[in-house]
Amino acid sequence: DAMVIQNPRYQVTQFGKPVTLSCSQTLNHNVMYWYQQKSSQAPKLLFHYYDKDFNNEADTPDNFQSRRPNTSFCFLDIRSPGLGDAAMYLCATSSPGDIPRATPPTYEQYFGPGTRLTVT
Amino acid sequence: AQKVTQAQTEISVVEKEDVTLDCVYETRDTTYYLFWYKQPPSGELVFLIRRNSFDEQNEISGRYSWNFQKSTSSFNFTITTSQVVDSAVYFCALLNFGNEKLTFGTGTRLTIIP
Repeated sequence: DAMVIQNPRYQVTQFGKPVTLSCSQTLNHNVMYWYQQKSSQAPKLLFHYYDKDFNNEADTPDNFQSRRPNTSFCFLDIRSPGLGDAAMYLCATSSPGDIPRATPPTYEQYFGPGTRLTVT
Repeated sequence: AQKVTQAQTEISVVEKEDVTLDCVYETRDTTYYLFWYKQPPSGELVFLIRRNSFDEQNEISGRYSWNFQKSTSSFNFTITTSQVVDSAVYFCALLNFGNEKLTFGTGTRLTIIP
């Protein structure tokens, strides 16, 4: 089944120790997103890639970086995690663009299961 | 600018009761899409439905139904004969055509009491 996969599902890191979260997709969607979600809140968009174009949200801290080496994979790097960065991190994909394609556009976002990050 | 309002923060109903989750949106665009997502305790956001702005037909899928009314900028979600497995946080979201970023509501936590 086509899907969005996130690894690991649970990640514990120490204060200030860099951590990388990964996301892969088999949907062949051209847009990939990273969200941060804290308890009892809606997901908050950190950044997204439209194909290779990186789009950072204005209020995303510099501590958060991302890489998309190919269509299928996207990584979230937290350079120096603080206690306030403990959250669920959600990866999502969609394909809303107007580039020529064989399949119709997919406006809805499909989410992975998330990685729950704990900072000690 | 766009905005999605889910005024109901938490709802609790007894199993088998019907429940309606409200969603009101604001947008200046004439072409847009509305979505509902379910987030069970496991944390994954599950896509439930997409509606585009020029299709006001109500939709029914099993025990789920959606009522889209442009006149009141609302896209409400009804669960009939609720079950414990329906307990989750439900998010309503808006996407303007030509944009790829969702605007989420704040979510409604639904608890079904056995």
